[in-house]
Amino acid sequence: DAKTTQPNSMESNEEEPVHLPCNHSTISGTDYIHWYRQLPSQGPEYVIHGLTSNVNNRMASLAIAEDRKSSTLILHRATLRDAAVYYCILRDSGAGSYQLTFGKGTKLSVIP
Amino acid sequence: NAGVTQTPKFRVLKTGQSMTLLCAQDMNHEYMYWYRQDPGMGLRLIHYSVGEGTTAKGEVPDGYNVSRLKKQNFLLGLESAAPSQTSVYFCASSYSNRVNIQYFGAGTRLSVL
Repeated sequence: DAKTTQPNSMESNEEEPVHLPCNHSTISGTDYIHWYRQLPSQGPEYVIHGLTSNVNNRMASLAIAEDRKSSTLILHRATLRDAAVYYCILRDSGAGSYQLTFGKGTKLSVIP
Repeated sequence: NAGVTQTPKFRVLKTGQSMTLLCAQDMNHEYMYWYRQDPGMGLRLIHYSVGEGTTAKGEVPDGYNVSRLKKQNFLLGLESAAPSQTSVYFCASSYSNRVNIQYFGAGTRLSVL
């Protein structure tokens, strides 16, 4: 899977929007962009994924650059429960690819 | 729905002891995975299975064995535990489709003394 680059940490005030960036300049045409998060002492949790178009779900929005070399996870109103490590992962949709390659992610702190 | 359940949650072993970690999923997923996570690191894939009776090696398979005798269960075995295997182990499962969203268990914290 292609590599992603994320900031090590970010801070946000509670109830404000948060934009978590991810660079993936070597993305291939068959790579999905996945975001997972890991709350303290828990397993990773799927957040959202996309291929080319922006995506929304009940947890977050995913904005994908037109050239697909970067993306941004948007939490519309951060809560204390959103404090977690957020992982941006490229997943090859081709046959024979099963692994999610986790980097170090971005540690999001939410300030009350 | 319980999702993905891992047992035990915590375990302490002495070097050379053996143990089996159990993962059970109730979502009828074809694929199952075992990852390990070391402090400050992302998850690394140990072994995975694409169906009942099949297993394959991941990124860091040495020192581990796995079995998938039933579709809903995926077992991870340590035959002779070493301190380097002190870690948090996560099991995951997914449908067999192109998107491959993985659902994770809560983890097993293993210490090898």
